[in-house]
Amino acid sequence: KAGVTQTPRYLIKTRGQQVTLSCSPISGHRSVSWYQQTPGQGLQFLFEYFSETQRNKGNFPGRFSGRQFSNSRSEMNVSTLELGDSALYLCASSALAANTGELFFGEGSRLTVL
Amino acid sequence: GDSVTQMEGPVTLSEEAFLTINCTYTATGYPSLFWYVQYPGEGLQLLLKATKADDKGSNKGFEATYRKETTSFHLEKGSVQVSDSAVYFCALSDPAGGTSYGKLTFGQGTILTVHP
Repeated sequence: KAGVTQTPRYLIKTRGQQVTLSCSPISGHRSVSWYQQTPGQGLQFLFEYFSETQRNKGNFPGRFSGRQFSNSRSEMNVSTLELGDSALYLCASSALAANTGELFFGEGSRLTVL
Repeated sequence: GDSVTQMEGPVTLSEEAFLTINCTYTATGYPSLFWYVQYPGEGLQLLLKATKADDKGSNKGFEATYRKETTSFHLEKGSVQVSDSAVYFCALSDPAGGTSYGKLTFGQGTILTVHP
């Protein structure tokens, strides 16, 4: 069974640009969550989607957005990139609608903003 | 709000040494508690969990007990191996209300290095 797949794995952008990251959850998983991981702030929750609906959102500015498609694949977008957006972005999926905390993480997309 | 505090690392041990990584938490509700592990170049993996007071989670020789009275969930292993070298994250999931979906609150992580 394939795990959570994130693309691209690495990317470099410049300030002011935008970026779109993609996540394919484990087959059959309908909940997808996104996290930002940085050395200073650690792992921070961005948002969660279930059946194409955003059910939960963390404390990030509106430049951070996401969506989920009918096949449960998800994308997140960051507009008007800032240097501080450099981070590892992790996607996680879960099989259950309820929040059990048992998440399956991908290897992440490492974004560098110059 | 919810928070998780882990002992500061990094932790360096010799093979077969005893490991303890301390974790304490604050939560508004009655949380579930987790240890996740991140091996080099990989995503996070669930190591073990506990959902109620006095529960003991265990996996791969690691153990942690949910202590409500001390709001703690310390990770222990009796004899570490080189292959245990990784970053360990304590986390909680607070099911109170609809703001918990998909959300784990993580500690800062503890880097463990085990030497032969």
